[in-house]
Amino acid sequence: AQSVTQPDIHITVSEGASLELRCNYSYGATPYLFWYVQSPGQGLQLLLKYFSGDTLVQGIKGFEAEFKRSQSSFNLRKPSVHWSDAAEYFCAVGAGTASKLTFGTGTRLQVTL
Amino acid sequence: DAGVTQSPTHLIKTRGQQVTLRCSPKSGHDTVSWYQQALGQGPQFIFQYYEEEERQRGNFPDRFSGHQFPNYSSELNVNALLLGDSALYLCASSLAGVPNYGYTFGSGTRLTVV
Repeated sequence: AQSVTQPDIHITVSEGASLELRCNYSYGATPYLFWYVQSPGQGLQLLLKYFSGDTLVQGIKGFEAEFKRSQSSFNLRKPSVHWSDAAEYFCAVGAGTASKLTFGTGTRLQVTL
Repeated sequence: DAGVTQSPTHLIKTRGQQVTLRCSPKSGHDTVSWYQQALGQGPQFIFQYYEEEERQRGNFPDRFSGHQFPNYSSELNVNALLLGDSALYLCASSLAGVPNYGYTFGSGTRLTVV
């Protein structure tokens, strides 16, 4: 069975500081990996996705993620955080676009000015 | 280009009642998936519809049922509502048969069972 672990429930960073959100997955084959962001009371917005190829993936809003098969990880990074990045971030794994997604429990990002 | 549209946005129901939630997929998409997101949790997969049939189902009881119409829109029905059914219900659409395609999520329907 596929699963996702996001070890950090809540992270606080200062505006302008760098950010790394951790994601570990469990999946028996080559995974399809996603990062989504959710603002309070809103749906999910796709930040980036990895299916194959280059293990460093660029996304929207200046985010990037690196797929490391040996560590079963897909960590999300941003070099300089903006106050508007405060939100809930979800990592998800799937078997393909016709398959269900399994989400982690999310990491709440707080940004201090 | 309209994204995924869900209605209603908020709903309050009494325990034991039945509810129907609606979803219109993004233009050009033919597959609809439903997720339940309880407060403080990640979304959990309920089921997926393609070609008007349920293709996959998550670990949800038969009280949860769905339908997809010829125009690809979808409904989620929940019978005999329980307090634990209170959650944000998200609809996601995608395009089957296109490799490496992603999902587009709607803003959700907030269901409160009292």
